[in-house]
Amino acid sequence: GQNIDQPTEMTATEGAIVQINCTYQTSGFNGLFWYQQHAGEAPTFLSYNVLDGLEEKGRFSSFLSRSKGYSYLLLKELQMKDSASYLCAVSDSNYQLIWGAGTKLIIKP
Amino acid sequence: GAVVSQHPSRVICKSGTSVKIECRSLDFQATTMFWYRQFPKQSLMLMATSNEGSKATYEQGVEKDKFLINHASLTLSTLTVTSAHPEDSSFYICSARVGGLAGGPTDTQYFGPGTRLTVL
Repeated sequence: GQNIDQPTEMTATEGAIVQINCTYQTSGFNGLFWYQQHAGEAPTFLSYNVLDGLEEKGRFSSFLSRSKGYSYLLLKELQMKDSASYLCAVSDSNYQLIWGAGTKLIIKP
Repeated sequence: GAVVSQHPSRVICKSGTSVKIECRSLDFQATTMFWYRQFPKQSLMLMATSNEGSKATYEQGVEKDKFLINHASLTLSTLTVTSAHPEDSSFYICSARVGGLAGGPTDTQYFGPGTRLTVL
């Protein structure tokens, strides 16, 4: 079966760095997406990785290792507004998105 | 760019009535739109994939006669919840796939703001 695993909840301190991991087992792979979702709102696109390595975009970076079926989202200089759920999604062989359950990130002052 | 709107943002209705939710891509043409449902503290659940000009493809367990999807144009898809019941109360979100090579960097889903449905 297809499976995406990510931690349910994480807590970090304002100004710090946090890494949210995602492991996946899917039938085929056509890219991995990270989305941010604030409570009561729709998800917004953060990043896309299809090749191994690190993609940096401002305070957010996303890493992919296809051989390990592993990705992480790295958030630096955390701000209170970063408190949200972070969703990992993999595009499978049919280009369908398989969604993880999301990681709720709590930022403390 | 890649803005998706949904209307209404919030709706409260009586049990047994039908509710229509509109999803529009404002600045691009979306050949494929997706409808999701999200219950509190749970992840997105794909309900159906909507392709312009053809019948929607429903996920297993989603009743196509209850959740009617129409994708009549490249910028509009509608979801109608027929004979709504309290258990249909949820957050309904649409997304539109930006064109480009399937699976490539432009093959990204952009989400509408969601519609919160409450059935009394």
